[in-house]
Amino acid sequence: KAGVTQTPRYLIKTRGQQVTLSCSPISGHRSVSWYQQTPGQGLQFLFEYFSETQRNKGNFPGRFSGRQFSNSRSEMNVSTLELGDSALYLCASSLQGDGIDTQYFGPGTRLTVL
Amino acid sequence: AQSVTQLDSQVPVFEEAPVELRCNYSSSVSVYLFWYVQYPNQGLQLLLKYLSGSTLVESINGFEAEFNKSQTSFHLRKPSVHISDTAEYFCALSGGSNYKLTFGKGTLLTVNP
Repeated sequence: KAGVTQTPRYLIKTRGQQVTLSCSPISGHRSVSWYQQTPGQGLQFLFEYFSETQRNKGNFPGRFSGRQFSNSRSEMNVSTLELGDSALYLCASSLQGDGIDTQYFGPGTRLTVL
Repeated sequence: AQSVTQLDSQVPVFEEAPVELRCNYSSSVSVYLFWYVQYPNQGLQLLLKYLSGSTLVESINGFEAEFNKSQTSFHLRKPSVHISDTAEYFCALSGGSNYKLTFGKGTLLTVNP
């Protein structure tokens, strides 16, 4: 089976712009989660989707949003980019998204905001 | 609230030496515990997990971790490390039907020749 894929792998944007990141889960996985990784804050949970429904959201401003499509692919969007949004954004997929499931991570999208 | 504390941000060791990466957690509900490894410029890979049953869990590449409920710990150990084990290691927990992993800050393991 192919793993979790994320596109693009690298992205450079300027402050005030918006960005959309894409994640394709492992075939058959219905849960997709997003995490932000920075040197200072570590790995922080953004949100989780299951069957196109957001089931949980982390403590991030409303500029961060996401969605999931009927084929389980997911996108996250960040509007009005700030310098502090520079990070590695990781997507993870799992079968059901409950606590027992193993989450499989993609390679990430490295976002740099100038 | 749930939290994970990794007590060491960096652990340097020599090749073939034993290593222990420490992880403590806090949660008001039952949890499942995980160790993930991240190599440079890559995503996270699951190393091992504790769901229930035997408190000692092992990975295929020689790592093991022991769940200790009374000490709320899930330390990761390897009796003899290799250069290729150099990576960042993350302890994480899930539980309480919140559909997320809570991670520690990570421990950078550097294995020197």
